[in-house]
Amino acid sequence: AQKITQTQPGMFVQEKEAVTLDCTYDTSDQSYGLFWYKQPSSGEMIFLIYQGSYDEQNATEGRYSLNFQKARKSANLVISASQLGDSAMYFCAMREGVISNFGNEKLTFGTGTRLTIIP
Amino acid sequence: DTGVSQDPRHKITKRGQNVTFRCDPISEHNRLYWYRQTLGQGPEFLTYFQNEAQLEKSRLLSDRFSAERPKGSFSTLEIQRTEQGDSAMYLCASSFRTSGTVNEQFFGPGTRLTVL
Repeated sequence: AQKITQTQPGMFVQEKEAVTLDCTYDTSDQSYGLFWYKQPSSGEMIFLIYQGSYDEQNATEGRYSLNFQKARKSANLVISASQLGDSAMYFCAMREGVISNFGNEKLTFGTGTRLTIIP
Repeated sequence: DTGVSQDPRHKITKRGQNVTFRCDPISEHNRLYWYRQTLGQGPEFLTYFQNEAQLEKSRLLSDRFSAERPKGSFSTLEIQRTEQGDSAMYLCASSFRTSGTVNEQFFGPGTRLTVL
C-alpha cells in the first residue's frame, strides 16, 4: 500500500485564487510528521510547512496552511491567493516514528502534484 | 548563509562506467540523507548519515552503490558499473537534530545522472 497518496497529477488554477492540494497517508505509528515541499523546475526541494501528529492546531506559514484531518489520515495543503511563482511540483511527505537522537528521520514522498497558475 | 550544494549538477556517462557525486551539507548540520528521484516520482530514500556514521541503507541501494561521509562534513555517493536504470536525479539533504520536532530537511539542487 502506498504510504503517501497524492491523487491529483496536475492542477490549473487562476492567479489570486486559493488552491487545495490533496494528500492522504497510511501509517500505523502514533507519532509521525507530515511535510509539504515545493519543487520548481530548477529541481531543488523547498520546505513549505510541517504538521506533527500530536499538533492540535492546523499548521500555517504565510499563504500556506495545512488542513490536517487525523481520523481521515489526510493532510491537504491550502495555498491562498496563488501567484505565478507558485507554479511547481508539490510533494507531500511523511516521517514516521518517534524522534530520537540517532533515529533515521527519512521522508517518504508521494508522487506529487504539478500546479500551474494561469495569469 | 549557503545551502546544500551538490556537484556535478549534470552527469552523462556510458553504461558500465563508474560515477561519483559530492554533497556539501549546511555546515552545522549533523544529519545527511541521499535520495533518488526518477521521472514522475517523488524522491526515494537511499541512505542516511549521522555525522560520519552511515546508520541506514535502503534496499534500493544495491552493492554497486557506496556512500561515505568521512569527516562528518561532505558526502560522496559512488555508483559502480552504471546501468541505464540508474538514470535519475540524486538529491542530497541535510538537517540538524534539535529539541524540536520539525527538523526539516534542506535539499540540494540535485545531480541529474544520464546513463547511455
